[in-house]
Amino acid sequence: EDQVTQSPEALRLQEGESSSLNCSYTVSGLRGLFWYRQDPGKGPEFLFTLYSAGEEKEKERLKATLTKKESFLHITAPKPEDSATYLCAVQRGSNYKLTFGKGTLLTVNP
Amino acid sequence: KAGVTQTPRYLIKTRGQQVTLSCSPISGHRSVSWYQQTPGQGLQFLFEYFSETQRNKGNFPGRFSGRQFSNSRSEMNVSTLELGDSALYLCASSLVEPSTDTQYFGPGTRLTVL
Repeated sequence: EDQVTQSPEALRLQEGESSSLNCSYTVSGLRGLFWYRQDPGKGPEFLFTLYSAGEEKEKERLKATLTKKESFLHITAPKPEDSATYLCAVQRGSNYKLTFGKGTLLTVNP
Repeated sequence: KAGVTQTPRYLIKTRGQQVTLSCSPISGHRSVSWYQQTPGQGLQFLFEYFSETQRNKGNFPGRFSGRQFSNSRSEMNVSTLELGDSALYLCASSLVEPSTDTQYFGPGTRLTVL
């Protein structure tokens, strides 16, 4: 069974204080690893898809990396508007569903 | 381009009732997936539809069902509601194949069962 574990469950940062979120996964035949951002009361917003170990993608202050066992979401010089829950999900090659982790609640204080 | 829309946004029902939720995918998207989100279990896959056919189903009881119409709009139905069905129900659409195309989520329907 596919498993995704995210850590930490919650992270509180000061504005400008860089950090990383972790997503460890176990899946047979990974097709893609996805990062989403979810604000309270809203649906998840797509951020990145990573397909193979060594791949990196960037968007503004966010950078996602992938190894064979985990993915990191690096947040550089975060701002209060980066506060949200960050969700990681994996998709198996032959399957349609996304298997999600429980998420990391990020709070960035001004 | 408009995003995924879900109606209604909020629902309050009592135990034993049934409920129907609606999802309109992004224009041109033909695949629709449904997920249940709760604080304890997180996001869990319910089912996926393409061209009016259910292609994959998650581990939920038969009380949860869905369908897709020829215009790609989808509905899900929950019969004989239980307290544990209280959750945010999310719909996601993708262009053709969820296994190759990114899934984009709607805002969700918040269901409260009393």
